[in-house]
Amino acid sequence: DIPMTQSPSSVSAFVGDRVNITCRASQDISTWLAWFQQKPGKAPKLLIYEASSLESGVPSRFSGSGSGTDFTLTISSLQPEDLATYYCQQGNTFPALTFGGGTRVEIK
Amino acid sequence: EVQVVESGGGLVQPGGSLRLSCAASGFLFSSYAMTWVRQGPGKGLEWVSTISGRAHNSYYTASVQGRFTVARDNSKNTLYLQMDSLRTDDTAIYYCARMNVSSVTLDQWGQGTLVTVSS
Repeated sequence: DIPMTQSPSSVSAFVGDRVNITCRASQDISTWLAWFQQKPGKAPKLLIYEASSLESGVPSRFSGSGSGTDFTLTISSLQPEDLATYYCQQGNTFPALTFGGGTRVEIK
Repeated sequence: EVQVVESGGGLVQPGGSLRLSCAASGFLFSSYAMTWVRQGPGKGLEWVSTISGRAHNSYYTASVQGRFTVARDNSKNTLYLQMDSLRTDDTAIYYCARMNVSSVTLDQWGQGTLVTVSS
C-alpha cells in the first residue's frame, strides 16, 4: 500500500479565485497520479491522469502538476459548479489503487 | 455513449450474501479491466477489486480477500461482485468503473449501488 495524503481537507474560496490542492505519496510513484471530482450525491469523475494530462471534456481551468511524491491540482478560476470533493489516486501499485482522503471545496 | 450501470444493492444482515452486477455498454467490454470501488457513509474512496479483460486475473484489497469474488461475463457485457460473509463495515456505495490500463486510472464510473449491512 502507498498511503496518499491530501491537503487541505477543506478549502473555501471566492468565485474567480485560484485554488491549489496538494497530494503527497509516501514513496515515489513517478507520474501515476490521477485526480477526481465528486459532486454531492454523484459518482467520481476523472479530471486529470498521469499527473498532468487533462481528461477529454474537462474545462481547461483544471490543471495538474508534479512527479515523484508531490502533486498539485489547480483550479485557476473557481466557478460555482466546482463545488465538490476532490480525490487524488495513485496507480503505481497497479492493480491495487489507493486514494487520498479528499479535499472539500466550498464557495464563499 | 460509454455507460456502466450497477444494480443489486440492498439491506442484508451481518454474515449474509449479496451479488452486485454492473452492465456495460458503448465500448468493447472484453478489452478493459474492470474495477469495484466503494465509499462508506461520509467517507472516502476505497479500491475493492479488479478483474482483467478476459478474466484471467483478479485482485482484491486485503479486507475482502476470501469473502468477495469478482467475475465477468463478456458475452453479456456484465461485471459481478459476489459478496459473502458480509460485515457491518462493508456498508457502502459500491461503484463499478472501467480501468484504463495505460494510464492506470478509472475513466468511466457508474452511479453506484448502496449496500447496507445491518441487523
